[in-house]
Amino acid sequence: AQTVTQSQPEMSVQEAETVTLSCTYDTSESDYYLFWYKQPPSRQMILVIRQEAYKQQNATENRFSVNFQKAAKSFSLKISDSQLGDAAMYFCAYRSANKLIFGQGTELSVKP
Amino acid sequence: EPEVTQTPSHQVTQMGQEVILRCVPISNHLYFYWYRQILGQKVEFLVSFYNNEISEKSEIFDDQFSVERPDGSNFTLKIRSTKLEDSAMYFCASRRTSGGRYNEQFFGPGTRLTVL
Repeated sequence: AQTVTQSQPEMSVQEAETVTLSCTYDTSESDYYLFWYKQPPSRQMILVIRQEAYKQQNATENRFSVNFQKAAKSFSLKISDSQLGDAAMYFCAYRSANKLIFGQGTELSVKP
Repeated sequence: EPEVTQTPSHQVTQMGQEVILRCVPISNHLYFYWYRQILGQKVEFLVSFYNNEISEKSEIFDDQFSVERPDGSNFTLKIRSTKLEDSAMYFCASRRTSGGRYNEQFFGPGTRLTVL
């Protein structure tokens, strides 16, 4: 069975600085999708970024980018120029067949 | 931009009562999901639904749970006899197709269920 692990329960970053959130996963599949979701205090789940496993190029969405290491089964999220509005819980997720498997989450705080 | 909606936003019920959580997925989506998140924990998959039947369910989704798409727009989750441990945030999600570019799941804002 696929598993997703986020080893950092909490992270903190200074406003305008860069932070990297870690995620590792375990799977025997060769083709799959990985996602990062943001959950602000409202608890809404917001898609941040998506990566297709067959693509070698790392996905980028404005200030958000990923470092996808398929052999190492690692999928980290980098947030550049951090803003106060980035403060939230971040979940890494693996799409297995017809469902998403989530990691435990990393709570990111942004210091002004 | 189309979005998934859920009602109610907060439901309080007594243990043993039945609750129905409602969702309106995005109109051209074909796959529907329920997830739950107990406070402070990760989001967990409950069930997926396609072509008017359950396509996959987790161990959590026991006989107390059921899902239905009663018409062309609503997607409901029913808990027959609620337990204290059912207290959680319940998220509905929908997805357009089975693969390719349009594989991301769009989540609703969630329904907070409190069982007393």
